[in-house]
This record gives sequence, C-alpha cells and structure tokens, in this order.
Amino acid sequence: NAGVMQNPRHLVRRRGQEARLRCSPMKGHSHVYWYRQLPEEGLKFMVYLQKENIIDESGMPKERFSAEFPKEGPSILRIQQVVRGDSAAYFCASSPGTPGSGANVLTFGAGSRLTVL
Amino acid sequence: DQQVKQNSPSLSVQEGRISILNCDYTNSMFDYFLWYKKYPAEGPTFLISISSIKDKNEDGRFTVFLNKSAKHLSLHIVPSQPVDSAVYFCEESENNNDMRFGAGTRLTVKP
Repeated sequence: NAGVMQNPRHLVRRRGQEARLRCSPMKGHSHVYWYRQLPEEGLKFMVYLQKENIIDESGMPKERFSAEFPKEGPSILRIQQVVRGDSAAYFCASSPGTPGSGANVLTFGAGSRLTVL
Repeated sequence: DQQVKQNSPSLSVQEGRISILNCDYTNSMFDYFLWYKKYPAEGPTFLISISSIKDKNEDGRFTVFLNKSAKHLSLHIVPSQPVDSAVYFCEESENNNDMRFGAGTRLTVKP
C-alpha cells in the first residue's frame, strides 16, 4: 500500500525554465494539497484540489504557478519561468476527504526539492 | 500566515525528561488541532490530534493539551527519547478544511 508518491525528489532548473512536480495520492484518497517550505520556514499552504477541481488556491502566487489534478494521473504543480525565490521544498499531501467526525489527517509525500540556479 | 504561531524555533532536552512544545493561534473558529513530526528529507507524519471540545488527548508518551481561553496548544512528550529528535509542526483547521501550519519547532533530545 504505497503512500503519497512525489517525483522528482530533486529538481534543478535555471532561471526562466519550467518546473513540473508530480504527486500521486495515497490509494483511495481523492483530496490533494500542496505546501511549500522555504528554508527556515514552516509549511505554507498553496492549493487544495479534488479530482478535476481546484477547491482552494488562496495560497498560490497569482502568476507563474498552476496546479491540476486530472481525472486520470497524478496531480501536477507547475511553475513557469522559475526564479531563485522559487527554490524550496514542495510537499504534497492527500486525504480521503473531510471525515464525518474526527480530524482530517493528511498523509504527506517525501517532498520535491526545487533548486533554481 | 500568522494565524498559527510556534514561537520557539528550537528546543533541547535531556533523554528521559519531558519535552513541551507550544503553539498559539488566533482563529477561535478552529475546531481541530493536530501535531505532525518531520524528520530530515522526509514528509511530515501525523502524530496526535485533539478536537476543540476536549482539553486533553493522550497517546502513549504523547499528550496534547488545549487551552481554548488562552488559544494555546501544547504537546508533551514524556519520557523524551533520542528518536523524538525532529521538527514538530502544529496544525489547526476550521471545518476540517483550511489547514494552517505553524513554522515548526526543532526538538533535540540528547542521550
């Protein structure tokens, strides 16, 4: 029973290139969340998606960043024209959805570390 | 995002002693509070949670306390072990959505 799978684990891009980060949620989970962790900072919420729908993208920068979770395949976080400030660890988490009772516990992937040269 | 604050970036304790990690929040509508633990090069993993209708939840060596009037959450680990050395994040959510994390506290347990 594989957990949340993220790839690539490490990605190096030059300024102006595009970065694509993939996340396959845990089996049976239909909700995906993306978080960014900058050096020496905590986890910052970026976007929350369900299959084919963006539910909450209030944490996403307005430009250059986009996310999708298609009917088939992994969720993808796309960063266009990367800049040095985009260097960070990007974590994906999944959950089965809002539970009827109890906390909505997230299962995290190991993260994708993006380095922009 | 200043809704959830972990004011201590690091904490060091001796093995066998108690570790107390703290978290303050501002949104009185939060209804679930969770703690996650993170080792280097890994994603955070869920540790323990508490709902807003309770003031204490215990699971083995880990106990979470919630003081709603003070808007304060704490995690107690006793006895602390070297394997507990990690970064701990508190997370709060409203209606089980809109999860917000603190900046994390790095705990070091010395043998």
